[in-house]
Amino acid sequence: NAGVTQTPKFQVLKTGQSMTLQCAQDMNHEYMSWYRQDPGMGLRLIHYSVGAGITDQGEVPNGYNVSRSTTEDFPLRLLSAAPSQTSVYFCASSTSNQPQHFGDGTRLSIL
Amino acid sequence: EDQVTQSPEALRLQEGESSSLNCSYTVSGLRGLFWYRQDPGKGPEFLFTLYSAGEEKEKERLKATLTKKESFLHITAPKPEDSATYLCAVKGGGSNYKLTFGKGTLLTVNP
Repeated sequence: NAGVTQTPKFQVLKTGQSMTLQCAQDMNHEYMSWYRQDPGMGLRLIHYSVGAGITDQGEVPNGYNVSRSTTEDFPLRLLSAAPSQTSVYFCASSTSNQPQHFGDGTRLSIL
Repeated sequence: EDQVTQSPEALRLQEGESSSLNCSYTVSGLRGLFWYRQDPGKGPEFLFTLYSAGEEKEKERLKATLTKKESFLHITAPKPEDSATYLCAVKGGGSNYKLTFGKGTLLTVNP
């Protein structure tokens, strides 16, 4: 049982480049979400989805896009990376009556 | 808007020295208060969910309690392997899924 799988684990980008962070879960959870974690700021919600075809913005959505075409996958896209997006990104999934399960994160540096 | 404040930001204990971590919250209609443990380089790992004032949960050396305004994570006779960041989060009445996190308490237990 893999749980929540995030790829890649590490990535370095140049300003202006685009990339997609991948997140997959094998628990048939309807809810999936993306957080960023910065020193002194805690976990902040970027985007979330309550099912395939349904997404919504969280606390810090600017500069990020998401889509949810399947229950299992919830990719996060950076269209034009900026140094302010240097962070650790976590994906999580759950049902409405279970706690959220987290992946081990993607560490992203933007130069 | 839901808010979570954790204190202290950092706590250093000697092995065997019991203490408590605090999580103060304001939320409209609490649907759950969650405690997570996060090790360096890893995603948050679920510990406890509390739903109503007076509720307590225990796991090994950890005990979580809940009042109408705060939660405590009591650590009894800690060991070095209890060293981690402990995160508190609340789920408010506005969502079946969304969590609001505190900034965490970094616990270090010295041998």
